[in-house]
Amino acid sequence: GQQLNQSPQSMFIQEGEDVSMNCTSSSIFNTWLWYKQEPGEGPVLLIALYKAGELTSNGRLTAQFGITRKDSFLNISASIPSDVGIYFCAGRNFGNEKLTFGTGTRLTIIP
Amino acid sequence: DTAVSQTPKYLVTQMGNDKSIKCEQNLGHDTMYWYKQDSKKFLKIMFSYNNKELIINETVPNRFSPKSPDKAHLNLHINSLELGDSAVYFCASSPGLAATDTQYFGPGTRLTVL
Repeated sequence: GQQLNQSPQSMFIQEGEDVSMNCTSSSIFNTWLWYKQEPGEGPVLLIALYKAGELTSNGRLTAQFGITRKDSFLNISASIPSDVGIYFCAGRNFGNEKLTFGTGTRLTIIP
Repeated sequence: DTAVSQTPKYLVTQMGNDKSIKCEQNLGHDTMYWYKQDSKKFLKIMFSYNNKELIINETVPNRFSPKSPDKAHLNLHINSLELGDSAVYFCASSPGLAATDTQYFGPGTRLTVL
């Protein structure tokens, strides 16, 4: 089956730094999504991407749908303490209700 | 008001027992899901129902049986619990099956099998 690998697996950064993470797939997706999960909570959708090459922002977050449709990137600018959590990418294909989640990137902010 | 709620939040039980987890959504959505998140935080879909009809059934042991009494509820019953069933189980819902329909997740139920 399809697998989504995220890198890095974990990040330790200082407040104010920018963050970059990516997600790669063994096969193509028509939709890429980025979720954030905080401790004790379910994932919350951050950004949805529906077209290859698309670049979409949500506040300090920017995500891109890779041209090959096999990857996606998420950037967070000027990180703040509340950015801590696990970030998941997820892929989906048209006509398929199933979301395939990535392995996650755990973000920790060092005071 | 909680959009997607699950009960219980925590469930600790012995191997071999039967247990149920309940999920309710007040968003008026047609589609509901169950996901399992293992100890490495990997999230995998288990089941999906659309208008009370099962549409996704991944390779889940038949000890797991979802039931949707109405569009707002999707419960998960687990028979003969095993140690490997320990995980966090998330319910989610979406307006429908369109690719642009966002899935909203509940807070999760942490199941521990002793």
